[in-house]
Amino acid sequence: GESVGLHLPTLSVQEGDNSIINCAYSNSASDYFIWYKQESGKGPQFIIDIRSNMDKRQGQRVTVLLNKTVKHLSLQIAATQPGDSAVYFCAEPPAGRRALTFGSGTRLQVQP
Amino acid sequence: DGGITQSPKYLFRKEGQNVTLSCEQNLNHDAMYWYRQDPGQGLRLIYYSQIVNDFQKGDIAEGYSVSREKKESFPLTVTSAQKNPTAFYLCASSRGIRDPGDTQYFGPGTRLTVL
Repeated sequence: GESVGLHLPTLSVQEGDNSIINCAYSNSASDYFIWYKQESGKGPQFIIDIRSNMDKRQGQRVTVLLNKTVKHLSLQIAATQPGDSAVYFCAEPPAGRRALTFGSGTRLQVQP
Repeated sequence: DGGITQSPKYLFRKEGQNVTLSCEQNLNHDAMYWYRQDPGQGLRLIYYSQIVNDFQKGDIAEGYSVSREKKESFPLTVTSAQKNPTAFYLCASSRGIRDPGDTQYFGPGTRLTVL
């Protein structure tokens, strides 16, 4: 079936380094993707989104890259800070539905 | 403050009891959603509503019920038919239904524990 999934369950980085979180998707018709950040015990927080007509989108310290050829997207966080420690999810709305399908998430741990 | 509120933050229930989780939003959003999250897992869709007095089942609707009598409110009832209700429940809302790019905003969640 269609799915959105993540390559690595945990990513540990040093403070100040750049982080790259990856996500694979299987539905080639997917036209919109979202990245959420979820801190422990809290609801997910929107980070950035990207439509399929784009390859790259930049926000504040974050960049999302979309490679439609291999059905892969990534979230890059520049100069990672302790406050970036959280679980990161990619998500997409399935065709014909406005709710989201979430991957299982990647936990980002920032070492001081 | 604008946003989504969920109450209570923690909820304990005895087996065999129904319990209702509250979700309210003052963002004037048409669409609202309920998700369930188990430890170390992603979010799974329970129910969603695109407009008042209308709602659709998600992927794991069995044992749950909802109502959408007001635009601002989308309560979720966890019934005794739900075999494993202990989880973190998240409510979300979005502006509309026409554009998949309508961002979903999440509430702080309710952690339900069945004793």
